[in-house]
Amino acid sequence: QVQLVESGGDLVKPGGSLRLSCAASGFTFSDPYMSWIRQAPGKGLEWVSYISGGGSAIYYADSVRGRFTISRDNAKNTLYLQMNSLRAEDTAVYYCARGHYDLRLWGQGTLVTVSS
Amino acid sequence: ETVLTQSPGTLSLSPGERATLSCRASQSVTSNYLAWYQQKPGQAPRVLIYGASTRATGIPDRFSGSGSGTDFTLTISRLEPEDFAVYYCQQYGSSPRTFGQGTKVEIK
Repeated sequence: QVQLVESGGDLVKPGGSLRLSCAASGFTFSDPYMSWIRQAPGKGLEWVSYISGGGSAIYYADSVRGRFTISRDNAKNTLYLQMNSLRAEDTAVYYCARGHYDLRLWGQGTLVTVSS
Repeated sequence: ETVLTQSPGTLSLSPGERATLSCRASQSVTSNYLAWYQQKPGQAPRVLIYGASTRATGIPDRFSGSGSGTDFTLTISRLEPEDFAVYYCQQYGSSPRTFGQGTKVEIK
């Protein structure tokens, strides 16, 4: 079954850190770019980051550059997002998705809440 | 950055009616690399259209996309009850990839 399953979302205090994971199955994970997209409560979609299949090409949105780090472990079929120096405005559902053009496969999302 | 502006913000229609959603880009979208997504409450977005006009796998033919350059349209020919949702456009012709703010199609 082709699917993406995110995990790791939690309630964290401002300034704290969190690592999100996205487990892939049903396709050759090492081939495609992978992306993280987030959606603040009641708001629209924001592309956060993407990474190439081999990990050599990486993009970050200005809003997270220097605080978030995307990575992947192709042997474990898993995508990661390390989030440091978290702010209230990072509160969102975080989705992983396959690709970096149009996104045809999404996970169900994991909620990150940044609050004291 | 390519800013995408969707209109209207909310579309109130009845089942069976035609829905026309607009997405205008602040600059020309390279190679018409524009996609449309549908999102229902509590669910992840689902791609409907990519390349401005190509329906994704499994998408009913009542959904169609058109346009080029800076003006794009998603048309739902006859609204079914399951089509009431929020729709987003997204461009992938340049970085950063950007989304429109969404159009909510609600039952009148």
